[in-house]
Amino acid sequence: GQNIDQPTEMTATEGAIVQINCTYQTSGFNGLFWYQQHAGEAPTFLSYNVLDGLEEKGRFSSFLSRSKGYSYLLLKELQMKDSASYLCAVRDWDDYKLSFGAGTTVTVRA
Amino acid sequence: SQTIHQWPATLVQPVGSPLSLECTVEGTSNPNLYWYRQAAGRGLQLLFYSVGIGQISSEVPQNLSASRPQDRQFILSSKKLLLSDSGFYLCAWSGTDKQETQYFGPGTRLLVL
Repeated sequence: GQNIDQPTEMTATEGAIVQINCTYQTSGFNGLFWYQQHAGEAPTFLSYNVLDGLEEKGRFSSFLSRSKGYSYLLLKELQMKDSASYLCAVRDWDDYKLSFGAGTTVTVRA
Repeated sequence: SQTIHQWPATLVQPVGSPLSLECTVEGTSNPNLYWYRQAAGRGLQLLFYSVGIGQISSEVPQNLSASRPQDRQFILSSKKLLLSDSGFYLCAWSGTDKQETQYFGPGTRLLVL
């Protein structure tokens, strides 16, 4: 299995940048996912990293370092609608299953 | 495009009563299917997954069971609910390649009283 750690809460101002870190320990690695979950709703897929480096998708970017067991999700030009929980999930090698972190609740303030 | 449905959206059940939650996927064939539970303020816990009709893998021993009677249908059941079964139940699907992303249904919020 995996140990996945991410901060519990973060607060930022509208228009600012927030970086959500995720560290993991796994016996094998086959990809890291970021999901966004608004209160009371299902998670929605944001990004996927399997190789080292940065993946950019509009205002959201995700970075992976496999040697360090580390990823971050970068949210730029924050908007009020970005207030949500952000879930980091890791897939083990040769497995279909995902292991999820507890999630980071981001609050965007005006 | 693929869509995933879950019902009911909300359910209030007494302790000791049975449970049946249904999940169906449209627009794809032979998907992998998953049941997760999310307790209030906690992370997602994988309960069951299925790679084909009649094939169920259980991740957590408990009073829940799962079945896959058809290719795109996944059912979560219990014969007798416990208070601790309360939570947000999410069904997800993915393709069969191990690189595939999982996509979640809208979820069922279950409250056991």
